[in-house]
Formats: sequence, structure tokens, C-alpha cells
Amino acid sequence: DVQLMESGGGLVQPGGSVRLSCAASGFTFGTYAMSWVRQAPGKGLEWVAGISGNSVFRDYADSVKGRFTISRDNSKDTLFLEMNGLRADDTALYYCATYKGGGITSCFDFWGQGTLVSVSS
Amino acid sequence: SNVLTQPPSVSVAPGKTATITCGRDNIGSKSVHWYQQKPGQAPLLVIHYDTDRPSGIPERFSGSNSGNTATLTISMVEAGDEADYYCQVWDSDTNHVVFGGGTTLTVL
Repeated sequence: DVQLMESGGGLVQPGGSVRLSCAASGFTFGTYAMSWVRQAPGKGLEWVAGISGNSVFRDYADSVKGRFTISRDNSKDTLFLEMNGLRADDTALYYCATYKGGGITSCFDFWGQGTLVSVSS
Repeated sequence: SNVLTQPPSVSVAPGKTATITCGRDNIGSKSVHWYQQKPGQAPLLVIHYDTDRPSGIPERFSGSNSGNTATLTISMVEAGDEADYYCQVWDSDTNHVVFGGGTTLTVL
């Protein structure tokens, strides 16, 4: 079974940094594009960033571009999201998700349970 | 505009048919995907590529996409279908994933 387990969330001060991880299992991680999607409390889904299986393609939502960095370690089946310059409006539950079929233009067929990032002083 | 417009809420009686729309200029030229999210749970893909149901999704869930509107239809609605539903596309102009604002389905 596919499993995605996020970690690294917590309370962070405005302007601070945090690194999220997503440990994957149950599929050939390196052949699948991956993404981070967030959901602010009581709000809808917002795509944050995506990365191809070989890390050649990476892209970001305008709201996080220049502050967040998506990366992956295929040898450890792990996806990362480095978040810098955090703001209050970055407070959200952060999900990692797999792109169905592996391609970055697809939909998301597997999701983790999310890790909560709260930005507050 | 790359915004996907969904009605904030839809209400339906049990056993009836629920229709949730997702609007955008010429959305019919794109592949639309639909997710169900119940409280405290991660989203679940219920329709992909406009009309296809992933394994395990009941036949009661169907999708269509034409012109400026994509539609998720849930027939014979059950209490367990109560959830938030989101549409999603890949925007080839920006290379970004775009989600609709979500629709809360209430089963009366």
C-alpha cells in the first residue's frame, strides 16, 4: 500500500524557517512527480509546489515563490519542503501528494495526512 | 482568468441527485479532476480526467466537462457523501495546479 507520512510542522515565528519532510513507501518513489498542497484552517486547498521524479522540473505557486524550496532524495524515498520567510498566511496543514501516473500535469491520487505549520509570535 | 468557480454550497435530499459545477473560460479544453474531503481527512480523488472513476469509487459518482463548465454528479446521494468537493486542473499557461474554491455538500 502507498503511504505518505509528513513531519516537521510546528509553531514558527514570523520570518522563521521550517523544513517539512514526507516519507514515502509502497511505490517506486523516484518515478513519480510529487507535490505539496496546503490548506489553511477552514479554507480550501492551495497547491504550493511540484517536483518531477528526477528533480529536473520544479515549480511554485506565486504566493511562495522565492521563499519555499521543494526537493527530494530518491535514495531515501523522501520529499522535502524548505520554508523560509514564513508569514502568518502560511499557517496551514501541509499535505504531500503523488501525481497520478507520475507526470506533473496530472491529478493527485495519494495524499498524506498532513503536518500543521502555525506561524505566530 | 485561471480561477475555477464553484458554488460554496449545495444541498440535496437523500436518494436525490447532487450536481456540483466548476466554471472557467473554455474549461472543456482541459482535464478536470474532482476530490472529496470529509472533516479531518485528506482529500480523496473521486473523478479524474473529466469522467473516469478511480478504483473503489462508487458508480454513483460521475463527471462531465464541456464549454465553460465541468460538473460532478452524485446520484442516489447518501448521508456519507456529505463532504467538501474540489475541482482541479493543470493550467498549461502557468504550469501550475489550480483548485476550485470548494463546494460543501449537505445531505438534508
